[in-house]
Amino acid sequence: QVQLVESGGGVVQPGRSLRLSCAASGFTFSSYAMHWVRQAPGKGLEWVALISYDGSNKYYADSVKGRFTISRDNSNKKLYLEMNSLTTEDTAVFYCARDASGSGYNWFDPWGQGTLVTVSS
Amino acid sequence: QSVLTQPPSASGTPGQRVTISCSGSSSNIGSNTVIWYQQLPGAAPKLLIYNTNQRPSGVPDRFSGSKSGTSASLAISGLQSEDEADYYCAAWDDSLKGWVFGGGTKLTVL
Repeated sequence: QVQLVESGGGVVQPGRSLRLSCAASGFTFSSYAMHWVRQAPGKGLEWVALISYDGSNKYYADSVKGRFTISRDNSNKKLYLEMNSLTTEDTAVFYCARDASGSGYNWFDPWGQGTLVTVSS
Repeated sequence: QSVLTQPPSASGTPGQRVTISCSGSSSNIGSNTVIWYQQLPGAAPKLLIYNTNQRPSGVPDRFSGSKSGTSASLAISGLQSEDEADYYCAAWDDSLKGWVFGGGTKLTVL
């Protein structure tokens, strides 16, 4: 079955970096756009970034532009989120999600179980 | 402050019909389809409605979506206790060149 498993979360100090991974299985990873979405504790969902099926197009939320980089490895069916200059405002559960298309403009289904990133000194 | 505006809470009794609104603008809801996600307590979000009014297989027909201009609605009929969850609307925003979400609506079944 289609499955997305995030990893790489943890506690990190402000100003430091962290890389999240999302391992995909059960579908042709290279055919679909992928997203990262985050949810701060007790708050709503916030879209973070999108990468098209072949990595040629990337979009970012203004809140992370210039600090976060989304990438993918189609041969190993993995999605990544490199996060730099982290602040306490970045504390959240990060979900990866598959788009219904290769472009990323459709809908997110399914979602992974999430990985918690805590930015704290 | 979310780009899409939802009421923070909604409630109903079992069997009732409830609606959740989602207000946006011409650059998002006004020109693109609306997506609804359901997030049960402690779980990851799940796709509930896509393309404004389409239900994925497995989603009961008690759930329906609609749109008019720059606003959208999610209706839940025959409310059940297992519908108690947070509901989020989302749409692609042509101006922001990104996805935008509503702030979420917490549905309580009384």
